[in-house]
Amino acid sequence: DQQVKQNSPSLSVQEGRISILNCDYTNSMFDYFLWYKKYPAEGPTFLISISSIKDKNEDGRFTVFLNKSAKHLSLHIVPSQPGDSAVYFCAANQGGSYIPTFGRGTSLIVHP
Amino acid sequence: GAGVSQSPRYKVAKRGQDVALRCDPISGHVSLFWYQQALGQGPEFLTYFQNEAQLDKSGLPSDRFFAERPEGSVSTLKIQRTQQEDSAVYLCASSLRAAGNTIYFGEGSWLTVV
Repeated sequence: DQQVKQNSPSLSVQEGRISILNCDYTNSMFDYFLWYKKYPAEGPTFLISISSIKDKNEDGRFTVFLNKSAKHLSLHIVPSQPGDSAVYFCAANQGGSYIPTFGRGTSLIVHP
Repeated sequence: GAGVSQSPRYKVAKRGQDVALRCDPISGHVSLFWYQQALGQGPEFLTYFQNEAQLDKSGLPSDRFFAERPEGSVSTLKIQRTQQEDSAVYLCASSLRAAGNTIYFGEGSWLTVV
């Protein structure tokens, strides 16, 4: 039973537009959420995170929004660039567990 | 280097062969994780170390899988009598604190069992 779900396996966006990647979770005990980016033949790279005490965290072109009541988070990339093309993984931590649980990933393609 | 280092990057093993995968975490990082990533899937947790202590090995799929971190730094994941379903990328990650929430991955060891 997947506790972290990324229901869209792929997303295609035009360069300069906004990319929105979605993630849902089922475990209400999760209190820290992370996004990782993965290029082919490389390991996942940490991108941005958010604690459950916040509903938004921004870092340059990347913003993560958290809706605790809906158990939903999203990653916004504005503006999207071709170099953003990668697989994006959502992950969640439960306080005291330290072990992130990952979703299956969404493949983002940004067209020039 | 400053990141998590894994070796070998690529390994082809014959079915039944034993393999050992090495992870050198970021210097000073207390926590070390092993994940398995099959094609088209997300990373799946295998085991977790805090310093030399293996605190959680609930994700190891069978007793053919064994991990150690004897001096609290370098870790080795060993797979005995490999089978085709063991083919995957094995990712090592580390984090600074025992309660660190952000983990940093290495590039992975790609295992193909033929």
